[in-house]
Amino acid sequence: IAGITQAPTSQILAAGRRMTLRCTQDMRHNAMYWYRQDLGLGLRLIHYSNTAGTTGKGEVPDGYSVSRANTDDFPLTLASAVPSQTSVYFCASSDGTSGSEQFFGPGTRLTVL
Amino acid sequence: GQNIDQPTEMTATEGAIVQINCTYQTSGFNGLFWYQQHAGEAPTFLSYNVLDGLEEKGRFSSFLSRSKGYSYLLLKELQMKDSASYLCAVRDSNYQLIWGAGTKLIIKP
Repeated sequence: IAGITQAPTSQILAAGRRMTLRCTQDMRHNAMYWYRQDLGLGLRLIHYSNTAGTTGKGEVPDGYSVSRANTDDFPLTLASAVPSQTSVYFCASSDGTSGSEQFFGPGTRLTVL
Repeated sequence: GQNIDQPTEMTATEGAIVQINCTYQTSGFNGLFWYQQHAGEAPTFLSYNVLDGLEEKGRFSSFLSRSKGYSYLLLKELQMKDSASYLCAVRDSNYQLIWGAGTKLIIKP
């Protein structure tokens, strides 16, 4: 693994189903983030984690949950998917220091029907 | 509320110079970032400004005025591969990034 990876690349999901988007980084970054990107809107933060074992809510957390059991992994779960959760989801990580850039995964394109 | 404004779309000619503006109103300021995002790909980091002034990095430069809540990204010697969206983001008082909707830059030969 080099950098940050996400799985699946894309997914079509029936409304009401549960879905977990996976994110793994090998840069030993402390901080990790989940964003959604919708046409015409900026990236919006769903949840974040400043370090393993801690998580926090972003701008649009409703309907999503996360966990951070270790440094490398930061899965995002949709407990019961709804069509408004159709979006492109990006996972990102940073070393958490002032001025540090965020590195992004390739994204997951999710369609909820 | 927090707000980042950028033009939705700009068009420029190959070889020319283009300036993409960003204005912001946020709860606190802990730096401003510019990212490039090609269609269907992830954003990639271009520049970071935390103090007023110009930061130059090759063909790309970024300027910041904290008193005016204003930044711009300057792209020189435009190449076709520069066709992409350019995202402005401000780190707020909670150290979270607030993102603009992005500026789609179209380069014409």
